[in-house]
Amino acid sequence: AQTVTQSQPEMSVQEAETVTLSCTYDTSENNYYLFWYKQPPSRQMILVIRQEAYKQQNATENRFSVNFQKAAKSFSLKISDSQLGDTAMYFCAFMSPNAGNMLTFGGGTRLMVKP
Amino acid sequence: SAVISQKPSRDICQRGTSLTIQCQVDSQVTMMFWYRQQPGQSLTLIATANQGSEATYESGFVIDKFPISRPNLTFSTLTVSNMSPEDSSIYLCSVEEGYEQYFGPGTRLTVT
Repeated sequence: AQTVTQSQPEMSVQEAETVTLSCTYDTSENNYYLFWYKQPPSRQMILVIRQEAYKQQNATENRFSVNFQKAAKSFSLKISDSQLGDTAMYFCAFMSPNAGNMLTFGGGTRLMVKP
Repeated sequence: SAVISQKPSRDICQRGTSLTIQCQVDSQVTMMFWYRQQPGQSLTLIATANQGSEATYESGFVIDKFPISRPNLTFSTLTVSNMSPEDSSIYLCSVEEGYEQYFGPGTRLTVT
């Protein structure tokens, strides 16, 4: 079974600064996908970024980038130029095609962007 | 990505009653999922619903408590049966497209 751990329950960052959210996972699979989801107070789950395990290059989506360390089973999210609208819960998630494509979520990190 | 709607968006129900949550997708999808998010918690998968087959339930969830229907490739329902206050949660459906999952807006259920 897969497990996903987010060790930072809460974080804060000043507007326009950079923040990194941590995530580690445990799996015996070799083929899998990792995701970061954002859940603002509206409770809508929004896909932020995806990383395929077979790709060495770290995924980037505008101000969001990841640091994927496969050997260390680490998958952190960096948010650059933080904006007030980035305030939300952030969930790290794992998916394996060999496990029915279900998502296993970490416990979440609450990010507050301060003006 | 698929556009997903859920009904109702929220409800307050009496203990012992049942509520059926609907999930509608604007395109045909093979795999749909139902998740529960208890207050202040992360998401936990209840079951996977594929059209034409019985839903597959995760450990801790049973069909008698959470019956699921999947009549076609764009629609699914989740029923929360014989509710108790412990069932108060947000219930979310999601669909998979190309190894990505997209979520509906969720249904906030409060059981009194």
